[in-house]
Amino acid sequence: GEDVEQSLFLSVREGDSSVINCTYTDSSSTYLYWYKQEPGAGLQLLTYIFSNMDMKQDQRLTVLLNKKDKHLSLRIADTQTGDSAIYFCAESIGGGNKLTFGTGTQLKVEL
Amino acid sequence: DTAVSQTPKYLVTQMGNDKSIKCEQNLGHDTMYWYKQDSKKFLKIMFSYNNKELIINETVPNRFSPKSPDKAHLNLHINSLELGDSAVYFCASSQVSNEQFFGPGTRLTVL
Repeated sequence: GEDVEQSLFLSVREGDSSVINCTYTDSSSTYLYWYKQEPGAGLQLLTYIFSNMDMKQDQRLTVLLNKKDKHLSLRIADTQTGDSAIYFCAESIGGGNKLTFGTGTQLKVEL
Repeated sequence: DTAVSQTPKYLVTQMGNDKSIKCEQNLGHDTMYWYKQDSKKFLKIMFSYNNKELIINETVPNRFSPKSPDKAHLNLHINSLELGDSAVYFCASSQVSNEQFFGPGTRLTVL
């Protein structure tokens, strides 16, 4: 199957860390991605991880991949109000062009 | 500006009409995509073209017909519009599968 699930909402205080979770069902996923969508805008690729990696860090972003549990997470350190957006995880299989997106997590950052 | 652009940004039309959405990318990418995002923000691929050839065609009604006159353009024509076609349509392009660049979206409202 190609179901990719995320929790719908996450609210954090400015300066705290945010952790957005994603579970997927297809064990043959090759790449896993995190995209950000700000209101009224298209999707922006934040980061991606290859399936043979456990972790990837890029400035304030840390991606963790647990292949055994088919679980992907995105941690945003020192969350800012500008991080408020919808975050989508996505998977591609076999390095192909087709992305299957998760249901999206609305992140709200409060002062 | 190098980007993926879509026109129009907003499209309001009556049921039964035929309409087109245009997409252009000047990134020199070989592959282009159309995605549909529904009112619950769920994002699903519709079509993908590589060098003007159709490579992905998800279960989309045949009222939707993509056309790629050249590899920089992928237009979406929709016949006999229905209420359920109301959504935001995103065009994207990629050169390698691990990064897709998205356009700003076209919000289609069918009355």
